[in-house]
Amino acid sequence: GAGVSQSPSNKVTEKGKDVELRCDPISGHTALYWYRQSLGQGLEFLIYFQGNSAPDKSGLPSDRFSAERTGGSVSTLTIQRTQQEDSAVYLCASSFGQGGFEQFFGPGTRLTVL
Amino acid sequence: AQSVAQPEDQVNVAEGNPLTVKCTYSVSGNPYLFWYVQYPNRGLQFLLKYITGDNLVKGSYGFEAEFNKSQTSFHLKKPSALVSDSALYFCAVRDMGSSASKIIFGSGTRLSIRP
Repeated sequence: GAGVSQSPSNKVTEKGKDVELRCDPISGHTALYWYRQSLGQGLEFLIYFQGNSAPDKSGLPSDRFSAERTGGSVSTLTIQRTQQEDSAVYLCASSFGQGGFEQFFGPGTRLTVL
Repeated sequence: AQSVAQPEDQVNVAEGNPLTVKCTYSVSGNPYLFWYVQYPNRGLQFLLKYITGDNLVKGSYGFEAEFNKSQTSFHLKKPSALVSDSALYFCAVRDMGSSASKIIFGSGTRLSIRP
């Protein structure tokens, strides 16, 4: 497929466990974003990767959250020691780069922390 | 710092009537502005964007938006609403005045079109 893919689509975990969420952006897109959406509400910015530049991590809510992007393509968002308030849909988006390029969103990963 | 606001959580319109979904922004430089739509149980889809040029931009599904620099607004409009337009709408902004700036989203407005 040519779209942004995310895995898993659903993840249920116990409080205190670590989770990894994966995003495969559209080939050739240099920009990659992670957002969080709670219960059909707004999109909370988490982190932004642009090419080889240092990522903008200003939206990560705590040091339990981290993300990396390997080889300028696939990205993994890691949440350590999950808490119930981490439950949300985590959305990944990619775009051609900076400027006025629109984002293409993946279907999201629904995370439930019990 | 850049910000974007959608002052209405919910907008209710009768089918066939015009609709407006409001968005205001704050940036240090000039903005890139976007509207996205999220239909129930579906992913976010791009509707339209303003980069430069004509203040009135047209997008998918008959939607349009007007960029107003003096009012720092980018309201989404449609002349005649359809029931199928019912969805969650997001305004987004990127600050051109900041290099490598991120795109941030408003809190969303739920549009409900009644038959």
